[in-house]
Amino acid sequence: DTEVTQTPKHLVMGMTNKKSLKCEQHMGHRAMYWYKQKAKKPPELMFVYSYEKLSINESVPSRFSPECPNSSLLNLHLHALQPEDSALYLCASSRRGSGANVLTFGAGSRLTVL
Amino acid sequence: KQEVTQIPAALSVPEGENLVLNCSFTDSAIYNLQWFRQDPGKGLTSLLLIQSSQREQTSGRLNASLDKSSGRSTLYIAASQPGDSATYLCGVGPRSGSRLTFGEGTQLTVNP
Repeated sequence: DTEVTQTPKHLVMGMTNKKSLKCEQHMGHRAMYWYKQKAKKPPELMFVYSYEKLSINESVPSRFSPECPNSSLLNLHLHALQPEDSALYLCASSRRGSGANVLTFGAGSRLTVL
Repeated sequence: KQEVTQIPAALSVPEGENLVLNCSFTDSAIYNLQWFRQDPGKGLTSLLLIQSSQREQTSGRLNASLDKSSGRSTLYIAASQPGDSATYLCGVGPRSGSRLTFGEGTQLTVNP
């Protein structure tokens, strides 16, 4: 299995909703990432988990809450989002959390906040 | 702070043409550089990874080169096809940590 699977593919939520994005990989990778991508812009790093511990938080607002229950799963919990948070959210994984690794990306979750 | 620039921002070519996409970076202290392809509304597909000690990598019709001293990488696509139409991103990996820095991408259109 050489894939990163993201669910759901599309999510529409109101500003008072609580929802979650899910990411799964079974490649034995020990680093997992959340990126946010706005239209026609490059992906921006949000969080990095290395060996199931949060190693990087790029000053992301607390309305985004990451969770790594085990080495194969990564969640992003969403609460009280703003319309400007609408974007494509990409999950990625790599063998380990250092610069020497190939990143494998999922297909993304398209989030729309009304 | 690493800055990555990709030129051109957009490129339209007829099918069959050979083409070159450019990526430049400001800090030459990199560990690797990765080229990705992204179709509209989709995730990123890794095309080629070049380690800092390497000069080039090839995969099929794709060839990526790296000149660390001048802070440049190129992606060469031979005999382009309409299926190559996508946005191509380069991502630069630092010596330590995992903060891949992306360029803004080149949007390629190959016309039949």
